[in-house]
Amino acid sequence: GDSVTQMEGPVTLSEEAFLTINCTYTATGYPSLFWYVQYPGEGLQLLLKATKADDKGSNKGFEATYRKETTSFHLEKGSVQVSDSAVYFCALSVFSSGSARQLTFGSGTQLTVLP
Amino acid sequence: NAGVTQTPKFRVLKTGQSMTLLCAQDMNHEYMYWYRQDPGMGLRLIHYSVGEGTTAKGEVPDGYNVSRLKKQNFLLGLESAAPSQTSVYFCASSYGLWQTDTQYFGPGTRLTVL
Repeated sequence: GDSVTQMEGPVTLSEEAFLTINCTYTATGYPSLFWYVQYPGEGLQLLLKATKADDKGSNKGFEATYRKETTSFHLEKGSVQVSDSAVYFCALSVFSSGSARQLTFGSGTQLTVLP
Repeated sequence: NAGVTQTPKFRVLKTGQSMTLLCAQDMNHEYMYWYRQDPGMGLRLIHYSVGEGTTAKGEVPDGYNVSRLKKQNFLLGLESAAPSQTSVYFCASSYGLWQTDTQYFGPGTRLTVL
């Protein structure tokens, strides 16, 4: 079945540090890939997405490139801020005929950014 | 435009009690979903709906029932709560079925079953 593996956290960085959160996947078919972010006490919000190989999703300074050859979708940011402290989820979606599109999530990575 | 809202935000139940979680969306989305979030496991799909009057099972449906009597509402019921159902429950909705469509999530309901 489909699955998503994220680097385990928690991750603690100083402000302005470089961030990488690794994500790899296995999927039947050709998935779309997503990063969701969950701020404390809130629901998940879509951060970025990519729908085909070599696509780069970007938003709020975060980037991730869909790498089909390595089945990866690593999240990066050049300079993190305290406000980026949250839990980050990698997810994939593969459409199955006759059923709703289902998201498969990784286990989440807690990021804490210290001032 | 409130997006996706969930009621209640917190609830404590005793084993065997029943309750209903309400999800409402004002985006005119056809598709709605219920997930549970457990530590270290990401989110898992419980049930979903592809339109008013329809429901279907997700990955972990046992012990839950759902109803979609109105397009904007999706109810999740626990008939006889068990401690294994202690979790954070998220509702989501999306416009379409295409795999590129974004799912919009509510703020969650934290349920504890004693």
